Amino acid sequence: GNSVTQMEGPVTLSEEAFLTINCTYTATGYPSLFWYVQYPGEGLQLLLKATKADDKGSNKGFEATYRKETTSFHLEKGSVQVSDSAVYFCALRDTSYDKVIFGPGTSLSVIP
Amino acid sequence: DAEITQSPRHKITETGRQVTLACHQTWNHNNMFWYRQDLGHGLRLIHYSYGVQDTNKGEVSDGYSVSRSNTEDLPLTLESAASSQTSVYFCASSRQGEETQYFGPGTRLLVL
Repeated sequence: GNSVTQMEGPVTLSEEAFLTINCTYTATGYPSLFWYVQYPGEGLQLLLKATKADDKGSNKGFEATYRKETTSFHLEKGSVQVSDSAVYFCALRDTSYDKVIFGPGTSLSVIP
Repeated sequence: DAEITQSPRHKITETGRQVTLACHQTWNHNNMFWYRQDLGHGLRLIHYSYGVQDTNKGEVSDGYSVSRSNTEDLPLTLESAASSQTSVYFCASSRQGEETQYFGPGTRLLVL
C-alpha cells in the first residue's frame, strides 16, 4: 500500500544553517505530495505541495521538488530561523480518494 | 472567518467511560477526518466522512465511532475509553476534490 518515510529526528540546527529533511514515498499512480508543519501546541498547516513530477513547491523560504525517479520529496531551506522550530510532516494524497497519508514527522529545533 | 474548531481542548477521563470529542467547521467542506497523533506514529486516520450520512473506517478505528448528521460537524465517540486511547486528536476537513486539508487545534485526551 501507499506509505511515506521520513528521516528520524529530532533535528537540531543553529540559526542560519541549511536544512534538509528527507522524505521518500511508495505509491501507485501519481500522488500529490505535501509538506505540513505543526508549530508547538497547534494543528497541522500546509507548508507546500507539488502535484506532478518535477514540480517544485515553495513557501516561506522552504522548497521541495517532486522526484518521481527517486520517489522523493525532500524539504530544504537555505537559512533556518528560530521560528522554524516545529514538527514537519511529509504526506501524499492517494489518487483514488481524498485521504492523505502522513509520514511520522520530523521534529526540528533551531537554536540561536 | 471560516474555521475549524475542536472541543474540549483538554480532557481527562476514566477507563470505561464514554467520551465524545467535537469537531465543527464553517467552510461547508464535504470531507472531514479524525486523526490521532502519537509519538513514533505520526498521524493515523481513525474515521473519515465524505458527506452527510457517510462514514468510513480508517486504519485505527477500533473503539471509536463517528456520525455525520450535518455538513459542519463530525463528533468522535470513544465507546469505552481505554488507556491506549490517551493521545492528541486532530480533526481536519477539505473540500471535495481539493487536496489541502485544514486542521483543528487538537484535543489532548488523557484516559486514567
